[in-house]
Amino acid sequence: EAQVTQNPRYLITVTGKKLTVTCSQNMNHEYMSWYRQDPGLGLRQIYYSMNVEVTDKGDVPEGYKVSRKEKRNFPLILESPSPNQTSLYFCASSLWASRITDTQYFGPGTRLTVL
Amino acid sequence: EDQVTQSPEALRLQEGESSSLNCSYTVSGLRGLFWYRQDPGKGPEFLFTLYSAGEEKEKERLKATLTKKESFLHITAPKPEDSATYLCAVRGGSNYKLTFGKGTLLTVNP
Repeated sequence: EAQVTQNPRYLITVTGKKLTVTCSQNMNHEYMSWYRQDPGLGLRQIYYSMNVEVTDKGDVPEGYKVSRKEKRNFPLILESPSPNQTSLYFCASSLWASRITDTQYFGPGTRLTVL
Repeated sequence: EDQVTQSPEALRLQEGESSSLNCSYTVSGLRGLFWYRQDPGKGPEFLFTLYSAGEEKEKERLKATLTKKESFLHITAPKPEDSATYLCAVRGGSNYKLTFGKGTLLTVNP
């Protein structure tokens, strides 16, 4: 089954404790992206990756890191989480972002709480 | 900067009562307008992509239309299972990201 998977689905942590949220897709997609969703603010892009070893900032990159060492994986790293990073996080992928036909498919989400 | 505004923020319908959701946008060089459905606590589920003014797409009780400034999602004879948040997003010509609206929360009462 074609899908985007994220782990963990739920995470409660404390301020300053480094964490990684994994994202994997099995569709051989070139483009991958991370979003956060907050009440009243909608979905906002954090980082995106056009291909292996190619990443760039989205609208709200502060406090986050990403890496793309393999095509299928795009982990989101919070080096020193803070309470304002409490949010619902989504990973998404599409075959190739610049093609007019491309649609982004979303993972199930990771609900992160930073105390 | 690309902008997307969805209205209304919330809409409550009776089963069978047809209506429309609005998505107004400003974008430099539209590459695509996307509609997604999102159930509580879940990831957005893709519904439609529209590329040019005048285009229409249908899926079951949903029909999406596009003009140069806005898109409508028409819901015909909705059922309770159509209850969800409907998200609109645009992709402009100068970047690769999607810009989302804040969504319309649709509730269909039996």
